[in-house]
Amino acid sequence: GQQVMQIPQYQHVQEGEDFTTYCNSSTTLSNIQWYKQRPGGHPVFLIQLVKSGEVKKQKRLTFQFGEAKKNSSLHITATQTTDVGTYFCAPVYGGSQGNLIFGKGTKLSVKP
Amino acid sequence: DAEITQSPRHKITETGRQVTLACHQTWNHNNMFWYRQDLGHGLRLIHYSYGVQDTNKGEVSDGYSVSRSNTEDLPLTLESAASSQTSVYFCASSTVGLTDTQYFGPGTRLTVL
Repeated sequence: GQQVMQIPQYQHVQEGEDFTTYCNSSTTLSNIQWYKQRPGGHPVFLIQLVKSGEVKKQKRLTFQFGEAKKNSSLHITATQTTDVGTYFCAPVYGGSQGNLIFGKGTKLSVKP
Repeated sequence: DAEITQSPRHKITETGRQVTLACHQTWNHNNMFWYRQDLGHGLRLIHYSYGVQDTNKGEVSDGYSVSRSNTEDLPLTLESAASSQTSVYFCASSTVGLTDTQYFGPGTRLTVL
């Protein structure tokens, strides 16, 4: 079946350090969404990437979609304690009608 | 403001009991979803619905059922609760379309003793 691998599973950083999480698929994606879940909270949509090679920025967050549309990354520059949480990628495959298969997520902790 | 709510927020039940978790959205979304979240497994899809009277099985549907009698509600029923169903359950909704984002409810923490 369609699967996505998200790495790393956990990341501990010192405040101010950069952070990157990767999402890799074995098959070509239609598009990919990213969500953030704060501790004790629910997943919240961050962004959607659709085009091959697309790069989008939200303040200190940079999202990339690979040229082959099989992988994506989320990079946070100069992490802050407010970045703590779990980041999920949610690939969308062609032919799906709206249901998402979430990656297992990367749990980010930030030491002040 | 439109929203998606879940009730109860916390539930403790005993093995073998039937349990129903409620999900109500006022977004007027056609698509609704139920996920469970367990440590190390991320979000796993239980059931989903693309509209009234439509229901579909997800990745981990055994022991669960849903029904969709109106646009706003998708209750999730555990026919005979098992300890393996102790988890946090999230409901989500989205509009029709491949690229629409999902809006999640606050979650229900279920403990089966």
